[in-house]
Amino acid sequence: EADIYQTPRYLVIGTGKKITLECSQTMGHDKMYWYQQDPGMELHLIHYSYGVNSTEKGDLSSESTVSRIRTEHFPLTLESARPSHTSQYLCASGGQSSYEQYFGPGTRLTVT
Amino acid sequence: KNQVEQSPQSLIILEGKNCTLQCNYTVSPFSNLRWYKQDTGRGPVSLTIMTFSENTKSNGRYTATLDADTKQSSLHITASQLSDSASYICVVSDRGSTLGRLYFGRGTQLTVWP
Repeated sequence: EADIYQTPRYLVIGTGKKITLECSQTMGHDKMYWYQQDPGMELHLIHYSYGVNSTEKGDLSSESTVSRIRTEHFPLTLESARPSHTSQYLCASGGQSSYEQYFGPGTRLTVT
Repeated sequence: KNQVEQSPQSLIILEGKNCTLQCNYTVSPFSNLRWYKQDTGRGPVSLTIMTFSENTKSNGRYTATLDADTKQSSLHITASQLSDSASYICVVSDRGSTLGRLYFGRGTQLTVWP
């Protein structure tokens, strides 16, 4: 089983709050990713990173931001949560020479 | 437009039976195709990964096939168990970028009844 962790697993928060979703991996992977997934729908890439100090926006426009100060850590921040941000957020990582992406357990976010 | 289509959308089978899930894709240039299993409320877990030159790969009771000419893949589950109940996602990667962009299907929701 992959060593990639996400916290919190579930979060219910009011509109306008600032939140940070944590993602950590202990595999030393350079590439890390954030995906958004609504029930019954496909995963959409919202952010990715090739390594430390590298961050890029993905296919799906997102109001969230990310940072990559350490190899193992790739947090996602929403400055002002809205109900439209309600979704499942999945973090993944992959090595330079590997086709694989290893997924964390996800964070289920509900904004009321 | 690069797309991945899966069928059926949902499937119910009895424990012990076999089933086959389908995946059609239009992603080009093709790099590899993966099948993931996603339990409810969890992240996807890789079952198999196949490159252009591979046409079948097994992982226990899971066997994936790939026809790169017709751009089709299937996932066959043998002697299903209750724990097989999950969403099975087909994911195709292209060779067009350093990132190896992934294209996700919407998944087939499999339910195994006792």
